[in-house]
Amino acid sequence: GNSVTQMEGPVTLSEEAFLTINCTYTATGYPSLFWYVQYPGEGLQLLLKATKADDKGSNKGFEATYRKETTSFHLEKGSVQVSDSAVYFCALSVPMNRDDKIIFGKGTRLHILP
Amino acid sequence: SAVISQKPSRDICQRGTSLTIQCQVDSQVTMMFWYRQQPGQSLTLIATANQGSEATYESGFVIDKFPISRPNLTFSTLTVSNMSPEDSSIYLCSAEGFGYTFGSGTRLTVV
Repeated sequence: GNSVTQMEGPVTLSEEAFLTINCTYTATGYPSLFWYVQYPGEGLQLLLKATKADDKGSNKGFEATYRKETTSFHLEKGSVQVSDSAVYFCALSVPMNRDDKIIFGKGTRLHILP
Repeated sequence: SAVISQKPSRDICQRGTSLTIQCQVDSQVTMMFWYRQQPGQSLTLIATANQGSEATYESGFVIDKFPISRPNLTFSTLTVSNMSPEDSSIYLCSAEGFGYTFGSGTRLTVV
């Protein structure tokens, strides 16, 4: 079946540090991959996405590259800010599935210290 | 991407009562989805709602507990019935469209 595994948190970094949140997936077919962010007390926002192998999604300084050979979609940012503190969810969907639903990882809580 | 308005944003309810959550999309979409996010957990899909047909429920969720309506292509409701404290969660709706836009969520506390 389809699944997403992401590194457990919480992850605590100092401001301006380099961030990596690992995400690997298992899927039948050709999934689309997403990173969502949930700020404290808020709903889910799409951060970035990639639809095919070697695509790079980017937004707000965050990047993730769709690596089919390693079935990974790691999230990176070169210099984090306190305002990046949130929970980050890796997710996939397989467009040809009967119901086309999104499957989420468990989420990684990120704390950025000033 | 579609924009989704979800309400209420939060509510505190007595056990045994029911709450209906509404989601309005600013464009027509075929599929809408309802998720539950229990405290500190990831999102679990409750059901998929297509206009004009009954919702499809995931394992562990039943229509009697979570009835869903989908009267047209821009609107859906989820009712949490006969609530207990275990139903305290964030409930989110989502609409198809690449990237799957989410509503801002309903934070439900059952006392």
